[in-house]
Amino acid sequence: EPEVTQTPSHQVTQMGQEVILRCVPISNHLYFYWYRQILGQKVEFLVSFYNNEISEKSEIFDDQFSVERPDGSNFTLKIRSTKLEDSAMYFCASWLEVNTDTQYFGPGTRLTVL
Amino acid sequence: SQQGEEDPQALSIQEGENATMNCSYKTSINNLQWYRQNSGRGLVHLILIRSNEREKHSGRLRVTLDTSKKSSSLLITASRAADTASYFCATKGGSEKLVFGKGTKLTVNP
Repeated sequence: EPEVTQTPSHQVTQMGQEVILRCVPISNHLYFYWYRQILGQKVEFLVSFYNNEISEKSEIFDDQFSVERPDGSNFTLKIRSTKLEDSAMYFCASWLEVNTDTQYFGPGTRLTVL
Repeated sequence: SQQGEEDPQALSIQEGENATMNCSYKTSINNLQWYRQNSGRGLVHLILIRSNEREKHSGRLRVTLDTSKKSSSLLITASRAADTASYFCATKGGSEKLVFGKGTKLTVNP
């Protein structure tokens, strides 16, 4: 069964450093998402991406965040200057078609900012 | 306003018993989905129910949706120790994003 994959599974970084989290969505899916989950809290929407542009973003997704689909298969989330409060599990998800299917989530990348 | 508020926050039962978790939401939805998350792991999709459906089954799972009360329930029958996990409801409204609740932590004791 096709699945969403994410790398790395765990990323440790120093405050102020840039990180790039990578995702490979399911190949024929059209919509891509990033969510995050701070430890012990609920999963929060960050951004959605369709047709090579951001279609929706949350208040969390400020100028420090960016997303890219550089090569037609990878989908990346970049945090330019990490803060302690960016420590969380980051989930990538992909969706074939809005309203007709479910979002499939990757296993997540645990980001620890020291 | 908070969407997808589950209750109870934690539930502990014996193997073989049924587990019922509830979810309430505040705005209109297109569908509601339930996900499972084992500790520190990814989200596994369990079941999706559309706004025009009232009940759906999948194996030992039964989901109901009452749009007039803006609530849903997830029933796991004949629970197993392997069902121990956190369960989240997620609603999808007019936008693309899913809005998750805080989850119910289920513990099934062998």
